[in-house]
Amino acid sequence: GAVVSQHPSWVICKSGTSVKIECRSLDFQATTMFWYRQFPKQSLMLMATSNEGSKATYEQGVEKDKFLINHASLTLSTLTVTSAHPEDSSFYICSARDEGGLAALGGYEQYFGPGTRLTVT
Amino acid sequence: QKEVEQDPGPLSVPEGAIVSLNCTYSNSAFQYFMWYRQYSRKGPELLMYTYSSGNKEDGRFTAQVDKSSKYISLFIRDSQPSDSATYLCAMRGSARQLTFGSGTQLTVLP
Repeated sequence: GAVVSQHPSWVICKSGTSVKIECRSLDFQATTMFWYRQFPKQSLMLMATSNEGSKATYEQGVEKDKFLINHASLTLSTLTVTSAHPEDSSFYICSARDEGGLAALGGYEQYFGPGTRLTVT
Repeated sequence: QKEVEQDPGPLSVPEGAIVSLNCTYSNSAFQYFMWYRQYSRKGPELLMYTYSSGNKEDGRFTAQVDKSSKYISLFIRDSQPSDSATYLCAMRGSARQLTFGSGTQLTVLP
């Protein structure tokens, strides 16, 4: 299957600082990428849908000014957590949609990155 | 009520057991059904997928979908310690957004 990478895999930052997380589709182009947040022993919560060349669409309750998303190319989306606080500590996972994916899934498939563990002290 | 309900477990079984994981859903528009496996501190990986109702088998894994009951299952035969992970059901309709279950944490004891 296709590969999605994330960087960094783990980051610790101080409260009040900003952190940028990169998500890359390595062997396919992704017009659409997704950012999820996952708390321990809980499922993935969709934060926003990132579309190349346009503004991201945020889910209800997600602060767009706090979680800045940039999808500047077909292989790269970034999530910047601004003015991070301890409650922002979580596992952030990106996903990229491969439009040339499995026909049995309607022609596209979502591939997930390995996740980034953010700890805000 | 959540659109997708999944028993969070945790579920602990001995090696070699048959494991049954289940999800129910309320949205009749869902057409594509998937099971993802997520190891600790890793991203989810697609394990099985089915379209509409029916069964699909891949090695030790069988996915079943019963759209009339809005119920999907994943069976793991001859479970191995390496199967220990969290299993997430996911589904979508013509809208391209996945809806996930809460995940079931499985431990297979050697």
